[in-house]
Amino acid sequence: QQQVKQSPQSLIVQKGGISIINCAYENTAFDYFPWYQQFPGKGPALLIAIRPDVSEKKEGRFTISFNKSAKQFSLHIMDSQPGDSATYFCAASSAYSGAGSYQLTFGKGTKLSVIP
Amino acid sequence: NAGVTQTPKFQVLKTGQSMTLQCAQDMNHEYMSWYRQDPGMGLRLIHYSVGAGITDQGEVPNGYNVSRSTTEDFPLRLLSAAPSQTSVYFCASRKTGGATEAFFGQGTRLTVV
Repeated sequence: QQQVKQSPQSLIVQKGGISIINCAYENTAFDYFPWYQQFPGKGPALLIAIRPDVSEKKEGRFTISFNKSAKQFSLHIMDSQPGDSATYFCAASSAYSGAGSYQLTFGKGTKLSVIP
Repeated sequence: NAGVTQTPKFQVLKTGQSMTLQCAQDMNHEYMSWYRQDPGMGLRLIHYSVGAGITDQGEVPNGYNVSRSTTEDFPLRLLSAAPSQTSVYFCASRKTGGATEAFFGQGTRLTVV
């Protein structure tokens, strides 16, 4: 059972445009929602993360929007640049629910291509 | 800062061979895990450990063994390699307790022929 569903699988955006990637989850025990960025040949690296006590978090051109009632969260990349071309993974975990609580459950990833 | 170090970076195995993928971290993180990454499948958890002497299975554990004798090291053993284990393997570590960042190694690209 896939607990975190991510869409789209791939995304092509013009330079300067807005990239939007969406994720949905089922497990209401999740309380930590990070996004990871992965460049070819590298390991994923944390980009930005949110807790469910806020509806939005912004860091530079990257924003997470969180809708607790809909169990959805999304990544917005403003003014997308060719250097943002990478694979993006959403993830979720629960900090306080027992032995499996530190596991990160990942979405399947979105390959973003920003064209000049 | 070394962070999470994986070796080797590339490996080719013949079907039936065994090998160990090494993972070491120098951040004193309690939690370590192994993922495999396949096209269109995202990152799938193989095994994880919440501390020395404690390991457990993830989503796709079959064909793999792990052990955790120290906080720093978390090797992944392939018992009898199969072509279905051709993948990119990532080791990750994070602190336990709360919303903490996971740090990933650079990955090991394994091909089983």
